[in-house]
Amino acid sequence: ILNVEQSPQSLHVQEGDSTNFTCSFPSSNFYALHWYRWETAKSPEALFVMTLNGDEKKKGRISATLNTKEGYSYLYIKGSQPEDSATYLCAFIPLDAGNMLTFGGGTRLMVKP
Amino acid sequence: EAGVAQSPRYKIIEKRQSVAFWCNPISGHATLYWYQQILGQGPKLLIQFQNNGVVDDSQLPKDRFSAERLKGVDSTLKIQPAKLEDSAVYLCASSLDYSGWGYTFGSGTRLTVV
Repeated sequence: ILNVEQSPQSLHVQEGDSTNFTCSFPSSNFYALHWYRWETAKSPEALFVMTLNGDEKKKGRISATLNTKEGYSYLYIKGSQPEDSATYLCAFIPLDAGNMLTFGGGTRLMVKP
Repeated sequence: EAGVAQSPRYKIIEKRQSVAFWCNPISGHATLYWYQQILGQGPKLLIQFQNNGVVDDSQLPKDRFSAERLKGVDSTLKIQPAKLEDSAVYLCASSLDYSGWGYTFGSGTRLTVV
């Protein structure tokens, strides 16, 4: 069983604050790491697919970094807005997994106006 | 491109009853997955199909859960009989290939067992 952990479990911030979450995963046998944004009653939305050590990806105010050697990824949100409120999930794919995702428990973000 | 369709959106049943969920993946996606997401936890893979064959069902509680993929397209997931701990969101996803960007989720079915 693969151990994928996310922290914190939940986070309350004020509008305009910047924030970041952590995803840790096994450092051996790495193939890819996905980040998803999941709003209640909607489909999980893919944010990033990261495959290379040292990757940094950006989408608007959201960015992510990847360190495969030490087994962690950070997701950053700059200037949080109420519409950023959602659960952020990371998912790990090892080399021999046949594209199966192993998810972390998620970080639930609530942004107060 | 149409997304992954799931139905119903919500279902409330009593324990020991049966329930079935339906998924229609994106056209052309060979791989289909069912995930179970219990409140406060990340989604857990129940079963993976490649076309109409099962690739992995190691985490499917086979005494009560069953799944099939009709002609390599639509899929149904059934629970019989349901237990209280089956209350969860059941997500269906499909993917085209190994790259990851083709991995698309449906909006899920929220099951409440009372």
